[in-house]
Amino acid sequence: EPEVTQTPSHQVTQMGQEVILRCVPISNHLYFYWYRQILGQKVEFLVSFYNNEISEKSEIFDDQFSVERPDGSNFTLKIRSTKLEDSAMYFCATGTGVNTEAFFGQGTRLTVV
Amino acid sequence: AQSVTQLGSHVSVSEGALVLLRCNYSSSVPPYLFWYVQYPNQGLQLLLKYTSAATLVKGINGFEAEFKKSETSFHLTKPSAHMSDAAEYFCAVSLPRSYGKLTFGQGTILTVHP
Repeated sequence: EPEVTQTPSHQVTQMGQEVILRCVPISNHLYFYWYRQILGQKVEFLVSFYNNEISEKSEIFDDQFSVERPDGSNFTLKIRSTKLEDSAMYFCATGTGVNTEAFFGQGTRLTVV
Repeated sequence: AQSVTQLGSHVSVSEGALVLLRCNYSSSVPPYLFWYVQYPNQGLQLLLKYTSAATLVKGINGFEAEFKKSETSFHLTKPSAHMSDAAEYFCAVSLPRSYGKLTFGQGTILTVHP
């Protein structure tokens, strides 16, 4: 069964460092999303991406965050200068169309120290 | 704006008992509704979805949910719990033409006792 693959599974970084989280979508999917889940809190929407541009973003997704699909396969989330409060599980999700179900990856646990 | 409230952060049932996980939503337009399950150290897996067709939706692993517009609810049920159902369950809502943005509830941890 096709699946969304995220790497790394766990990333530890020092405050102020840049991190890039990677996602390989299911091959025929065109819609891409990032969500995060701070420990003990809700899963929160960060950004949606379609046709090589951001289609919607939340207030969490500020200038420190960026997304791109650099090579037509990987979908990445970059955090330019990490803060302690960026520590969370980050989920990539992909889908075939608007309002179809999103398929989630297993997540990257980001720990900022 | 839309929102989701899951009543009960923890639910505990005995194996073989009815599972009922509650979800209420708030939305300015008819929403699409989803239930996801998260097993330990895994991602979110779709259990079922409501997208304005039949109000009673059947999903995987014997789960079903009923969309009740008058009650703004989308409760998840399973007639007989199995030990393997122990996980965290998330209700989520999206709006038509929202590019698939999901708004999640806070999750309900289901524990199943032998």
